[in-house]
Amino acid sequence: DAMVIQNPRYQVTQFGKPVTLSCSQTLNHNVMYWYQQKSSQAPKLLFHYYDKDFNNEADTPDNFQSRRPNTSFCFLDIRSPGLGDAAMYLCATSRARDGLEKLFFGSGTQLSVL
Amino acid sequence: KQEVTQIPAALSVPEGENLVLNCSFTDSAIYNLQWFRQDPGKGLTSLLLIQSSQREQTSGRLNASLDKSSGRSTLYIAASQPGDSATYLCAVRGVAIQGAQKLVFGQGTRLTINP
Repeated sequence: DAMVIQNPRYQVTQFGKPVTLSCSQTLNHNVMYWYQQKSSQAPKLLFHYYDKDFNNEADTPDNFQSRRPNTSFCFLDIRSPGLGDAAMYLCATSRARDGLEKLFFGSGTQLSVL
Repeated sequence: KQEVTQIPAALSVPEGENLVLNCSFTDSAIYNLQWFRQDPGKGLTSLLLIQSSQREQTSGRLNASLDKSSGRSTLYIAASQPGDSATYLCAVRGVAIQGAQKLVFGQGTRLTINP
C-alpha cells in the first residue's frame, strides 16, 4: 500500500562523495517535492517539480540537484556532501488542483555524512 | 516572509486527557493550513487540512481550528492515548503560488502520552 516510496531508508556517505536519494510514487501526482529536515527542526523545502518544470528555492545550495525522468520517479543528488548536510530527506507528492489536496510524504531517507 | 511557530516544543500528559496544540503564523494571507503527525525517524502523515475559508475540520478524535485574522490554529485531541505520542507539525501554504503546495512548517510539538 506504500504510495510514496523512498530508498534507501538509511544512507551513509563520506564527506565529499556524491550521493543520490530516490523517490517513487504510485499516486500519479504531477507535483513532487524534496524537503530537508535536520534534527528537531522544521522541514525545509529544497525544490519541487511541477510536471517536468523544476522549481528551485532561492536559498537551496547549488550542491543540491534533482532529476525527474518520468512522472513516477524523482532523485535528489548531493554533489559534494558536507557534514552539515546530514539530515532526513523527505519526498512528497501532490496533485495540483487549487490546493485542495493533502501532501503525501514518504518515510524519508536518513543521511549520515562521515 | 511567513514564519510558523509552535508552542510548546514538548508536552507530556496522562492518558485520557484532552489537550490542545497551538500554531501561530505571521502572515494571515494563507491558502490553507495542514496538521501533520511525525513518528520518530519517519515521514509525515497528513492529519487535517483547513482551507482559508473554513473555521475547523474534524477527523475522529482530532479537531483543528483556524482563525486566519489572528494568525492562529489549534489542534484539539480528545481522550488522548499512548498511540498519540508523536511530533505534531503545522504547515501553512501561502496564496501566491498556484498549483504546487509550497508549505512553511513549524518546528513541531513533541507529544508524549503517559499510560
